[in-house]
Amino acid sequence: QQQVKQSPQSLIVQKGGISIINCAYENTAFDYFPWYQQFPGKGPALLIAIRPDVSEKKEGRFTISFNKSAKQFSLHIMDSQPGDSATYFCAASKVRTNTGNQFYFGTGTSLTVIP
Amino acid sequence: DTAVSQTPKYLVTQMGNDKSIKCEQNLGHDTMYWYKQDSKKFLKIMFSYNNKELIINETVPNRFSPKSPDKAHLNLHINSLELGDSAVYFCASSQFRGRGGNEQFFGPGTRLTVL
Repeated sequence: QQQVKQSPQSLIVQKGGISIINCAYENTAFDYFPWYQQFPGKGPALLIAIRPDVSEKKEGRFTISFNKSAKQFSLHIMDSQPGDSATYFCAASKVRTNTGNQFYFGTGTSLTVIP
Repeated sequence: DTAVSQTPKYLVTQMGNDKSIKCEQNLGHDTMYWYKQDSKKFLKIMFSYNNKELIINETVPNRFSPKSPDKAHLNLHINSLELGDSAVYFCASSQFRGRGGNEQFFGPGTRLTVL
C-alpha cells in the first residue's frame, strides 16, 4: 500500500515558470514531511522539510505548502531554472526519538525545465 | 570529506552469485538505512539499524542480510542473486535532532546488475 501518493509523474516547465508537485498521505501520525531532490547518478538530497504545525515553509525559491486537514502537501519551485531539472521525492515519517524514522517516499516526479 | 560512501559504485554479476555492498558514514550518526530504487525510481526502505541494532526490516527476502560491525558501517550481503535484484541500492544515515526531524543523508548509490 502506497503510504504517500505523489503527482505528477513528470513535469515540463519553461525557465522562469512555477513548478508544482503534489503529495497526499493517509497516516495522521506522520509529523515530518521532507522533500528530496535527486540528480541522475546521485543519491537523494534533502531540499526542504516541514512539520505539521505550520502551513508553509519557504527557503529561497522553494516553498512547501501544507494542508493538515486535507492531508496534502506540495512543493512549489518559483522561477524554475534548468539546473532544477531532477527527480523530486516527497516523503513522510513519524519522528521517533533516537531510533531513526521510517520514511515513506512518494513515487517521484521527474522535472524538466526548458531553457 | 564524503559523508556517506558506498562501494562499489557499479556491480555486475551473474545470477546465483553472492555479493556485498559496503557503506560507511563519517557523520557520527547513530542510525543507518538501506534503500532499493527500482527502474521506475521508486525508493523503498529495506533495513534500518540504530546503534548496531536492527530497527526496521521490511519485507525483504532473507537472501538479503545486513551487517553492522559498528555505528559507522552498515554492509549489505546478498546471496543467490536473482534478475529481480537489479536496482540501485542506497545507503543512508540520520541522527535525531528533536523537532528538526531526522534528515537522512544518502550515499551515491550502488548500481547492481544481475545477468
